[in-house]
Amino acid sequence: DTAVSQTPKYLVTQMGNDKSIKCEQNLGHDTMYWYKQDSKKFLKIMFSYNNKELIINETVPNRFSPKSPDKAHLNLHINSLELGDSAVYFCASRGANEKLFFGSGTQLSVL
Amino acid sequence: QQQVKQSPQSLIVQKGGISIINCAYENTAFDYFPWYQQFPGKGPALLIAIRPDVSEKKEGRFTISFNKSAKQFSLHIMDSQPGDSATYFCAASYGYTSGSRLTFGEGTQLTVNP
Repeated sequence: DTAVSQTPKYLVTQMGNDKSIKCEQNLGHDTMYWYKQDSKKFLKIMFSYNNKELIINETVPNRFSPKSPDKAHLNLHINSLELGDSAVYFCASRGANEKLFFGSGTQLSVL
Repeated sequence: QQQVKQSPQSLIVQKGGISIINCAYENTAFDYFPWYQQFPGKGPALLIAIRPDVSEKKEGRFTISFNKSAKQFSLHIMDSQPGDSATYFCAASYGYTSGSRLTFGEGTQLTVNP
């Protein structure tokens, strides 16, 4: 009964490919996020959706496109993958008192 | 622009000792200061949080100390245990709206030796 689940856990792909990461939360939260954690473990927000509406769009290349089909799902599609995209991507949802619930991450390796 | 600066980058403590991690922030509009704990292969999880109307908050062995005038806050882990070995992140945000966001510090890798 994972609260925030994302798939896949690992993603290994070649440069130039297109890939997607899926995220689902069963907590009933309205707000969901994508964070990127780099090799130095720095966590940086990428996007935020509130009830399927894009709220936050940080300075992220437009090769990254989030999609929220409903408030329980927030997927991330990445076009034309580059070496620098290699990182761990975390989905999160926001509950009461601003508490964030993170998924277990997707380790993306671009070769 | 790094709005939340965290130190030290890494910390080694003996079992039973006190672990102290410090954070400093720039934006005086911040009104929520959580600490997250992350184990390898897992996502960060909320450990403890404080709002600026109090100077200290304690939950078990974990204490946040907050100094509003200095724009600093710190995490103290008493009686540190090997199971506390993890990466710790401070964070800050303001305005509980759909547009609010957490800004994280750089993280501290804590190792507690048995």
